[in-house]
Order: sequence, then structure tokens, then C-alpha cells
Amino acid sequence: GAVVSQHPSRVICKSGTSVKIECRSLDFQATTMFWYRQFPKQSLMLMATSNEGSKATYEQGVEKDKFLINHASLTLSTLTVTSAHPEDSSFYICSAKLDTQYFGPGTRLTVL
Amino acid sequence: EDQVTQSPEALRLQEGESSSLNCSYTVSGLRGLFWYRQDPGKGPEFLFTLYSAGEEKEKERLKATLTKKESFLHITAPKPEDSATYLCAGGDSNYQLIWGAGTKLIIKP
Repeated sequence: GAVVSQHPSRVICKSGTSVKIECRSLDFQATTMFWYRQFPKQSLMLMATSNEGSKATYEQGVEKDKFLINHASLTLSTLTVTSAHPEDSSFYICSAKLDTQYFGPGTRLTVL
Repeated sequence: EDQVTQSPEALRLQEGESSSLNCSYTVSGLRGLFWYRQDPGKGPEFLFTLYSAGEEKEKERLKATLTKKESFLHITAPKPEDSATYLCAGGDSNYQLIWGAGTKLIIKP
């Protein structure tokens, strides 16, 4: 139980385009989901907390207009990286809260 | 300020050589101490949650323990497939996780 999926697992896009990443809790409902970013050989950096039916809470230094988060249902949250640039290239991981946080497999974003 | 510190940064062991990973924490209103395992290019996999000092949990070759200031992840007779980065996190009063930087464990056959 407590399985979280992410799609896509890997995406390459051109600079200036937008990319949407989906996070789904497959066998449970999650009122709260989290979006993290991870740079090579570093730990997880929380970007935002996504609550179903309300606006996401962003961590300090994370641009709300650049990283759009939508949590439209109890099993789906999406992260859209708008007007992506090479510095946005990273590993993005979502988690869904049940008794603890259960993580998706991550999405590798490469912006050319 | 809430903080979680893991040591060592990296640990190389021979197969079968037991050892421990350390996680020191200062998290006000701690709501659980969490251990995860992360393989390269993948999301963290949940291992354990500890809630009170003196608590212990085991899973195969892993045992996690908790005191008022730190947690240990003991690895007994590890195998190469135990190689991964082990992450420790403290749950704060808002139920968010304060993450340590991780310990990269390498088990040589």
C-alpha cells in the first residue's frame, strides 16, 4: 500500500517552454502533497506544500509564478514549471502525506 | 532553529561488516523521527518512524533506535544491495519534515 506515482519520469524541453509534472497517490487519498527539488549529491529541498482545494504554500525563495501547483483532487497534484530555463534542470520529487510522507519515483527535468 | 545532522557523510563497509549511521536532531515539538532509503535516480523509500525515546524498530538487517537527541540506524551483516543513501528527517510541529543531508552507504562484496 501507499504507492505514489509521478509522470513523466524524465523530460527534456527547450528553454522557454512549460512542463507539467503529475503526482498521483494510487491507493490512498492525500489531502496534503509536497513538492521537492533535489540537486546532485544533495538532500531534498522542500519547494511547496500542496493542499487539496486550496492554494499551495511555497517555501521562501521559491517563485510562485514560475512553479505553479494545482491540487485539484485528493489523488492528484501537478507542478508546472513555466518558461523553463537551464537552471531549472533538476530532479523533482513529490510526496503524499498519509501516516508519513510517501514519495514518488521522481522526475528528471533537463532544460536545453 | 530546527536542524537535523547526519554522520558520516559516506561509509564504506565490506559485506558482512556491521555498523551504525547517526542522526542528531534539534527539532522543537518533534512529531516523529523518520528514516528513508534513497537509491540513485529514485524517490526516497520509507523505512521507519520513531516517536519516543527508547523506541526501536527493525526491518531485515536494519534496526532504528531513538534517544532524546539522536537516532541510530544499525546495519547488521550488510549485503551489497543495502548500498544506498540513507536519509533521516525530523517531523516538526507543522508535520513537515526537516531533512538531514544523508549518509551514502557503500557495501563492497
